[in-house]
Amino acid sequence: NAGVMQNPRHLVRRRGQEARLRCSPMKGHSHVYWYRQLPEEGLKFMVYLQKENIIDESGMPKERFSAEFPKEGPSILRIQQVVRGDSAAYFCASSPMQGLSYEQYFGPGTRLTVT
Amino acid sequence: QQQVKQSPQSLIVQKGGISIINCAYENTAFDYFPWYQQFPGKGPALLIAIRPDVSEKKEGRFTISFNKSAKQFSLHIMDSQPGDSATYFCAASSGTYKYIFGTGTRLKVLA
Repeated sequence: NAGVMQNPRHLVRRRGQEARLRCSPMKGHSHVYWYRQLPEEGLKFMVYLQKENIIDESGMPKERFSAEFPKEGPSILRIQQVVRGDSAAYFCASSPMQGLSYEQYFGPGTRLTVT
Repeated sequence: QQQVKQSPQSLIVQKGGISIINCAYENTAFDYFPWYQQFPGKGPALLIAIRPDVSEKKEGRFTISFNKSAKQFSLHIMDSQPGDSATYFCAASSGTYKYIFGTGTRLKVLA
């Protein structure tokens, strides 16, 4: 029974490049959440998605960041034209059905380093 | 008002001792309070969670105490072990998916 999977685990990008982070939720989970964790800080909510729908992107920067959760395949968090301040750990979480369970299960994260 | 304040920032406990981590909140609409444990290089793992209709929840060596009137909740780790050394995060949500996390407590249990 695989947990939430994220890849890559580590990603190094030069300033101005694009970063693409992938998340496969737990089996049977249809809700995906992305969080960002800066060094020595707690996690900050970025976006909540269901299949083919963005439900809440209020925590996501308006520019350069986008997220999707297609009908088939993993959820993707995309950061265009990365800057040094984007260096952080990005965590994906999933839950079975919002409203029935508040529990969110986190993946191992993708550590993005922008050089 | 959306903040969750967590203390202490770091904690050192002797093996076998009790570790206590505290969190406080302002938003009375919060109705779900989970605790997560995170080891270096890993994702947060759900440890235990509580809703405000109970004052205490215990799972093994881990206990959440909840004080609704004071808007505070705490995690107690009984008989702390070196393997408990990790960063602990409290969180809160108001009936939805959006968790507000505390800033974390780095626990070190000495052997």
